[in-house]
Amino acid sequence: DAGVIQSPRHEVTEMGQEVTLRCKPISGHDYLFWYRQTMMRGLELLIYFNNNVPIDDSGMPEDRFSAKMPNASFSTLKIQPSEPRDSAVYFCASSLRGINYEQYFGPGTRLTVT
Amino acid sequence: DAKTTQPPSMDCAEGRAANLPCNHSTISGNEYVYWYRQIHSQGPQYIIHGLKNNETNEMASLIITEDRKSSTLILPHATLRDTAVYYCIVRVRTGSYQLTFGKGTKLSVIP
Repeated sequence: DAGVIQSPRHEVTEMGQEVTLRCKPISGHDYLFWYRQTMMRGLELLIYFNNNVPIDDSGMPEDRFSAKMPNASFSTLKIQPSEPRDSAVYFCASSLRGINYEQYFGPGTRLTVT
Repeated sequence: DAKTTQPPSMDCAEGRAANLPCNHSTISGNEYVYWYRQIHSQGPQYIIHGLKNNETNEMASLIITEDRKSSTLILPHATLRDTAVYYCIVRVRTGSYQLTFGKGTKLSVIP
């Protein structure tokens, strides 16, 4: 298995621009998670899906952030408009059995907003 | 989730066993012990988990004390690629709990 795939690996954009991050979970995993990691705040769960349905989006910082999972093999995290404080590494993870079971992370997207 | 305490850093000679301790003295009966690691510039990686019995997989062994107040992750033959920050997490398997990493232990494997 190729593991969790994320794209792009690096993204540099200007403040106010729209940013779309992409994730392909491990085949057969019913749970997909989006995390954000910064030095200041550590690893934060933004949102997670079960069977393509958003279950808990309480970690989404504000309305500028949105996430979709149109099918079992693809999810997007969109930031519109982006701000410098959104600069972070964004990880996608998937799990076979749920949020409280082992999660497998992708390599992350390093986002820099200038 | 119960609080965990880990040493901030450890060194281990390449080829030797790395023993990473974790204290979780307030662990409750339904909480599992999980270990993840994060190699620089990569995503966190699941290693192993257990409830009360010792566990072993292809990556590591997990030794949990009988009173469950502490545990040790053992990498039997550490390689340079095992240099990473190792996180011990204690959590239940019900409810909606975020995967929260503490500061972890920075393991440096030395040639």
